[in-house]
Amino acid sequence: DVVLTQTPPTLSATIGQSVSISCRSSQSLLHSNGNTYLHWLLQRPGQSPQLLIYLVSRLESGVPNRFSGSGSGTDFTLKISGVEAEDLGVYYCVQGTHAPWTFGGGTKLELK
Amino acid sequence: EVQLVESGGGLVQPGASLKLSCVASGFTFSDYWMSWVRQTPGKTMEWIGDIKYDGSYTNYAPSLKNRFTISRDNAKSTLYLQMSNVRSEDTATYYCTLTYYGYNSFDYWGQGVMVTVSS
Repeated sequence: DVVLTQTPPTLSATIGQSVSISCRSSQSLLHSNGNTYLHWLLQRPGQSPQLLIYLVSRLESGVPNRFSGSGSGTDFTLKISGVEAEDLGVYYCVQGTHAPWTFGGGTKLELK
Repeated sequence: EVQLVESGGGLVQPGASLKLSCVASGFTFSDYWMSWVRQTPGKTMEWIGDIKYDGSYTNYAPSLKNRFTISRDNAKSTLYLQMSNVRSEDTATYYCTLTYYGYNSFDYWGQGVMVTVSS
């Protein structure tokens, strides 16, 4: 199975600060069809996860553009340019290239 | 608006069986693949499996395929997860998810249903 390693496990930030979360895969997530099925989810406290970014860098509808995703192959990054209070929660990367689909361990974003 | 509403969870004894349901609305259920994902009390996320839009094909996490079965009733817009011979490590919140874009990206999630396996 593909192992996704997220760092850091916990991130403390002030409002307005820019932060980045890393997701590293144990094997390339480039599919033979040319797509890279690496996505990012946010789970706010007490809520279900929601899709933020799909296919590495495409923003889900309604997601603020302070969120951005980048990367290729085995290394991926989620960046928040100016953290807002509503961004607090746990971020997960998930891959859909190699079955079984797997999730990273999560990064908890909290207020400093 | 897409809505996914799970039910059927609760306290169950080890070795027993349990069937979860997920009623979908706000989209044409019979057009989309659906998945089940679970989250342990320690917040670890695990994909359980998915089912093709017409129910003709299912895909499972290897560690669960012998005990869990996914099915659907398109006439009722309902997704099911049959769990058998449950173990304490199956204690988790179970989510029904919709793959809307076709990228295995878990685009929409239900509110989740808690299953606790304990004697």
